[in-house]
Amino acid sequence: AQSVTQLDSQVPVFEEAPVELRCNYSSSVSVYLFWYVQYPNQGLQLLLKYLSGSTLVKGINGFEAEFNKSQTSFHLRKPSVHISDTAEYFCAVTRRSQGNLIFGKGTKLSVKP
Amino acid sequence: DTEVTQTPKHLVMGMTNKKSLKCEQHMGHRAMYWYKQKAKKPPELMFVYSYEKLSINESVPSRFSPECPNSSLLNLHLHALQPEDSALYLCASSRRFDAEFGELFFGEGSRLTVL
Repeated sequence: AQSVTQLDSQVPVFEEAPVELRCNYSSSVSVYLFWYVQYPNQGLQLLLKYLSGSTLVKGINGFEAEFNKSQTSFHLRKPSVHISDTAEYFCAVTRRSQGNLIFGKGTKLSVKP
Repeated sequence: DTEVTQTPKHLVMGMTNKKSLKCEQHMGHRAMYWYKQKAKKPPELMFVYSYEKLSINESVPSRFSPECPNSSLLNLHLHALQPEDSALYLCASSRRFDAEFGELFFGEGSRLTVL
């Protein structure tokens, strides 16, 4: 079975600072990896995904993530955050034969002025 | 149109009530999902429909009854719920139930409170 570990439950950061949200996965089979964002009282929106190919994936809102197979990691980064990036961020994995997502516990990003 | 629409946005019901949550998408997707999300927790999969057939039931209690009347609609019928069932219920869809087709599109959720 696959699982996802988000190492930080909360990440406070000042506006315009860089941020990295960490995600590690475990799986005995090939997987696809995703980052979703959830703003307060809203559903989930896809930030980016890794299916195959280049290990550096660029997403919306200036976010990017790097797939590292040897370290089984898929960390999310942004070079300069905005107040509007305050939200809950979920890393997710799915097996290539099934579409249902397995989510990590989430990381709450709080951007302070 | 890349929307998944859920109604109602908020629902308060007693433990003896019968109510339904509705979800609609017009993206031609053939897989639809129900997730349950408790406060400060990640979404947990409840049901998956693929081509209008139930593909996954994650051992959900029978007081939750899903229905997929056609490829665009997904319902969740609620009966005799418990207060611990209070949560945000998220509907999602994807092109097919096959991760190669990438992402799930989520609705904004229906926030359910059981009194």
